Amino acid sequence: SAVISQKPSRDICQRGTSLTIQCQVDSQVTMMFWYRQQPGQSLTLIATANQGSEATYESGFVIDKFPISRPNLTFSTLTVSNMSPEDSSIYLCSVDGGSYYNEQFFGPGTRLTVL
Amino acid sequence: AQSVTQLGSHVSVSEGALVLLRCNYSSSVPPYLFWYVQYPNQGLQLLLKYTSAATLVKGINGFEAEFKKSETSFHLTKPSAHMSDAAEYFCAVSSGGGADGLTFGKGTHLIIQP
Repeated sequence: SAVISQKPSRDICQRGTSLTIQCQVDSQVTMMFWYRQQPGQSLTLIATANQGSEATYESGFVIDKFPISRPNLTFSTLTVSNMSPEDSSIYLCSVDGGSYYNEQFFGPGTRLTVL
Repeated sequence: AQSVTQLGSHVSVSEGALVLLRCNYSSSVPPYLFWYVQYPNQGLQLLLKYTSAATLVKGINGFEAEFKKSETSFHLTKPSAHMSDAAEYFCAVSSGGGADGLTFGKGTHLIIQP
């Protein structure tokens, strides 16, 4: 399985500011995914990032709020823009495991607190 | 559309007892099913996956799950609980094809009593 790292591991931010989260994979992958895990909740898919094309966002998530970059096959960033306390969550990136079945491997997550 | 229901947000068992975590799914296409575990302050680790090759799937750490199409279930079991099994467990479903994200259940917090 791929080894995935995320930066930062955690951050405390002021409302109205933006934070960019980085996701680095140790091998080339086609698909990368960004999820949000709100406190005590399950994971919700934010968007799918395919290298060389615009990210595909799930219902309820928009590019202006969560812009995503995917410059190459091993790296992606998610920006949380104009943050409010409701954005306090764990943000996780994952990668496609390379099989038809969509198994995914997850990074350690970024714990964001917005004051 | 797909969905996953995990019955019981919290499950408590004694150390050495059977662990049973329930997962039911809804899918309009043949599903691929997964169990993930999340330890405190960590990401998700894949425990096991169902890919239609066999209905009884064995995973890591002594866990296994059985796919029952008639019951649309994929319950996770372990014969003997260990203190280190205390964690959050998530059931997830995909439709395959490689391009879609996973749909997760709400999770079950497993508590192990000494």
